[in-house]
Amino acid sequence: NAGVTQTPKFRILKIGQSMTLQCTQDMNHNYMYWYRQDPGMGLKLIYYSVGAGITDKGEVPNGYNVSRSTTEDFPLRLELAAPSQTSVYFCASSASRVSQETQYFGPGTRLLVL
Amino acid sequence: DQQVKQNSPSLSVQEGRISILNCDYTNSMFDYFLWYKKYPAEGPTFLISISSIKDKNEDGRFTVFLNKSAKHLSLHIVPSQPGDSAVYFCAARAGNEKLTFGTGTRLTIIP
Repeated sequence: NAGVTQTPKFRILKIGQSMTLQCTQDMNHNYMYWYRQDPGMGLKLIYYSVGAGITDKGEVPNGYNVSRSTTEDFPLRLELAAPSQTSVYFCASSASRVSQETQYFGPGTRLLVL
Repeated sequence: DQQVKQNSPSLSVQEGRISILNCDYTNSMFDYFLWYKKYPAEGPTFLISISSIKDKNEDGRFTVFLNKSAKHLSLHIVPSQPGDSAVYFCAARAGNEKLTFGTGTRLTIIP
């Protein structure tokens, strides 16, 4: 019963490097989300997807890209890493948008940009 | 512009006593409120929710109270147990819009 899995758990990047944060869910959920949590702050929505092939911007999308080629996977891409992107990133999924209260979160990816 | 605020970053409570976590919001369009619990190195998990048409929702040891006139909600945990030690986030949404999260309160239950 994996739920939502994220890789890697931790990564250090140099300024200007790129990387992809992986997210996979095995619950056949249509909705998937990417959040970031900065120290002392709440979770901020970066991007979300309502189904394969459909993505939309959240509250803080700048510097990120996403794709949704399958129901299961929702990778988050950082093209030119910046220190401001140092954060903990959480992926989540839900069966539908009205059931946001039952968003299932992954364990998070801690990213440090130096 | 922090629309959902948790003004207490941390709270310590003796085991067996009541834990009260508070949350204030500014957006009068919010009509659904949620509490999430987060352990270290794990993602948040949903705990309890309340609609704006209610002022109380109870689930076992957890009760959420909503005071719409004061734009305030609180989470009561009684009796508190060591396993309740975690970070608690309140969140709110307006209709089907995105969730807005508070900054979290770290609860420590002292045995």
